[in-house]
Amino acid sequence: EIVLTQSPGTLSLSPGERATLSCRASQSVASKYLAWYQQKPGQAPTLLFYGASSRATGIPDRFSGSGSGTEFTLTISRLEPEDFAVYYCHQHDNSPRTFGQGTKVEIE
Amino acid sequence: QVQLVQSGAEVEKPGASVKVSCKTSGYTFTTYAMHWVRQAPGQRLEWLGWINAANGNTKYSQKLQGRFTITTDTSATIVYMELSSLKSEDTAIYYCARERSISGDSCYSHWGQGTLVTVSS
Repeated sequence: EIVLTQSPGTLSLSPGERATLSCRASQSVASKYLAWYQQKPGQAPTLLFYGASSRATGIPDRFSGSGSGTEFTLTISRLEPEDFAVYYCHQHDNSPRTFGQGTKVEIE
Repeated sequence: QVQLVQSGAEVEKPGASVKVSCKTSGYTFTTYAMHWVRQAPGQRLEWLGWINAANGNTKYSQKLQGRFTITTDTSATIVYMELSSLKSEDTAIYYCARERSISGDSCYSHWGQGTLVTVSS
């Protein structure tokens, strides 16, 4: 099973600041099989990126995704109030599909 | 637009079974695979299994050790999950999640709203 480890666990930032979230895989994941989701309290996750760097429909360009192999990054260039949430990486390269433990982006 | 609407919250006793439905609309039901994912309190998202809605083929997490079943009602465009021999650690929010593409190996572009299953004596 591929274990995804996200860091940091919590990111305390102010609106307008830059957020950099990391996802490390225990073994190599093909980029096309790495996704990122955003989850707000009481809601289901929503897809941000597929294929590591392709934005899902309606995702603003202040969000960017990058990485390959075992290291992937989600960057939010300038945080907006609606961006404070929990973010999960997800690999669907190997079975069982797995998720990271999440990074909470909170208002400082 | 694509919609996945799940059945309501359930409270069950240990050892019982629970069945949760996911009513789909807005797309051709048999074209996309459907998965089930759960989120226990304070835990990461956990993949449970998936079904090929075209032919009914399924694959499940080995962690559930044969307690988990996914079925479909194609005429009603509903996907079901059933979990038997419930344990307290099965308490979680259960989500249905549809794949983004028809390839059968993609991530999830659409999610149900979630169904809270509570296992308690």
